[in-house]
Amino acid sequence: DADVTQTPRNRITKTGKRIMLECSQTKGHDRMYWYRQDPGLGLRLIYYSFDVKDINKGEISDGYSVSRQAQAKFSLSLESAIPNQTALYFCATSDLYSNQPQHFGDGTRLSIL
Amino acid sequence: GESVGLHLPTLSVQEGDNSIINCAYSNSASDYFIWYKQESGKGPQFIIDIRSNMDKRQGQRVTVLLNKTVKHLSLQIAATQPGDSAVYFCAERVGGATNKLIFGTGTLLAVQP
Repeated sequence: DADVTQTPRNRITKTGKRIMLECSQTKGHDRMYWYRQDPGLGLRLIYYSFDVKDINKGEISDGYSVSRQAQAKFSLSLESAIPNQTALYFCATSDLYSNQPQHFGDGTRLSIL
Repeated sequence: GESVGLHLPTLSVQEGDNSIINCAYSNSASDYFIWYKQESGKGPQFIIDIRSNMDKRQGQRVTVLLNKTVKHLSLQIAATQPGDSAVYFCAERVGGATNKLIFGTGTLLAVQP
């Protein structure tokens, strides 16, 4: 089983709809992250969380919200989806300690029509 | 500003040859660097990392070199195999304790049989 699991893997929806992407991990990591990936661009950070009570905005948080329901679960919501939010979305986790890489799920491909 | 870039968006090599993928970073305060491999339909996979107090680190068939003087990072893959075909990203940590990463745009490595 994957250490970082994202659901759904693919989603097509319409403009204005509310969308939730879910991420769960079995690595026991405290830190979780949401990124989006667009063609020709690197991964860009949307939100990150250091524990259940800690939520922080990344560089492109506008139009998104998150919820850290438990140490193992971190969900990303698009309250009213728009076409330019069409992208690949990745969840990642990392250990509390420094100098530890982030570990990624296999992503959700989201298309907004 | 903070940025991580790659010199070569596409690198084509013959099977068995050595590959070198380059990356430039701009933040002199970055203290930790990571190389990721991303195969089609999958999330970034950790390959190797290096701290800023090191110049070189070796793994299995991979070596990362860090030149802080010119803010340059490279990934060397020995005896490149078809399974090495993927997009490779470098990332720099700019957030220290927050473990926030900035990613490059990626280099596509194509291994010719």
